[in-house]
Amino acid sequence: EAQVTQNPRYLITVTGKKLTVTCSQNMNHEYMSWYRQDPGLGLRQIYYSMNVEVTDKGDVPEGYKVSRKEKRNFPLILESPSPNQTSLYFCASSASHPTGDTQYFGPGTRLTVL
Amino acid sequence: KQEVTQIPAALSVPEGENLVLNCSFTDSAIYNLQWFRQDPGKGLTSLLLIQSSQREQTSGRLNASLDKSSGRSTLYIAASQPGDSATYLCAVISNTGNQFYFGTGTSLTVIP
Repeated sequence: EAQVTQNPRYLITVTGKKLTVTCSQNMNHEYMSWYRQDPGLGLRQIYYSMNVEVTDKGDVPEGYKVSRKEKRNFPLILESPSPNQTSLYFCASSASHPTGDTQYFGPGTRLTVL
Repeated sequence: KQEVTQIPAALSVPEGENLVLNCSFTDSAIYNLQWFRQDPGKGLTSLLLIQSSQREQTSGRLNASLDKSSGRSTLYIAASQPGDSATYLCAVISNTGNQFYFGTGTSLTVIP
């Protein structure tokens, strides 16, 4: 089954404790992206990747890191999480540049930073 | 910076009614516009994608229109069903970059 998977689905952590949220897609997609969703603000793009070893900042990259060492994986790293990073996070992928292709979304990761 | 607005924020209709959801964006220089559906506890599902050169797209009971010059899109849902209850999001990708901009969504409830 074609899908985007994220782990963990739920995470509660404390301020400053490094964490990684994994994202994997099995569709051989080139484009991958991370978003956060907050009430009243909608989804905002954090980082995106056009292909392996190619990443770029989205709208709200502060406090986040990403890497794209393999085509299928695009982990989101929070080196020193803070309470304002409490949010619902989504990973997404598309076959090629999203100007012409639909994005497929993962189920989301709900992160709480205490 | 692109801003995407969706009105209304919430909508409740009786089953069988036709309805229209609205999306507006401030920068008309876009590559495409997409409509998504979000169910509680789940990710987003793409419904329709309209390229900037297109005026509308149809899929089943859904029809999306795009007026790029006025910065507006509408999603028309015909003969609504309780299963249509969800949050509907629109998103645009600006042709100045590779970034997506989402609206805050319209929460739709279809009452049986």
